[in-house]
Amino acid sequence: ELKVEQNPLFLSMQEGKNYTIYCNYSTTSDRLYWYRQDPGKSLESLFVLLSNGAVKQEGRLMASLDTKARLSTLHITAAVHDLSATYFCAVSVQGAQKLVFGQGTRLTINP
Amino acid sequence: EAQVTQNPRYLITVTGKKLTVTCSQNMNHEYMSWYRQDPGLGLRQIYYSMNVEVTDKGDVPEGYKVSRKEKRNFPLILESPSPNQTSLYFCASSLFLAAPDEQYFGPGTRLTVT
Repeated sequence: ELKVEQNPLFLSMQEGKNYTIYCNYSTTSDRLYWYRQDPGKSLESLFVLLSNGAVKQEGRLMASLDTKARLSTLHITAAVHDLSATYFCAVSVQGAQKLVFGQGTRLTINP
Repeated sequence: EAQVTQNPRYLITVTGKKLTVTCSQNMNHEYMSWYRQDPGLGLRQIYYSMNVEVTDKGDVPEGYKVSRKEKRNFPLILESPSPNQTSLYFCASSLFLAAPDEQYFGPGTRLTVT
């Protein structure tokens, strides 16, 4: 059974700082997704990572995937308040049509 | 505008009263899915559908039914709702799950069962 774990689950940081959210998964997978959810809102797709060593960047967010370590990271550079949200990673079950989500990381960026 | 719509957005009901939450997408997507979101648990997949008349169970299917009679619609049916089905529900669609394609999520339906 595929398990996906994120850490930390809660993160409070100051504007301008850098930080990383980690997403570990337990079995082989062929793709990993990152989503953002604002309070009371739906999920917004951020990145889809398809292969080992994949790196994608959008603004102050950068996501990477290490399939050998079964680890993805979401790095935040010089955080700004607008990035406050809950971030989820999700992993597809190889050979199946399922997505398994992590618990989510609630990120609060203080001015 | 490409979108996934859900109705209703908010629903309060009583135990045992059958209800249906509708989901519709206008992107001609093959794959559709239902999730529930509960605090501390992330999103858990209830059912998914790879095409018309093709559905399968996710991780938490008990107490739910789905149907996919048309490509654009994927309703979620609770035949006899119970309080433990109080949750935030999301419908999502994508072209194919196996494609390098993002999933589009609906706005969510907040269900309370008393």
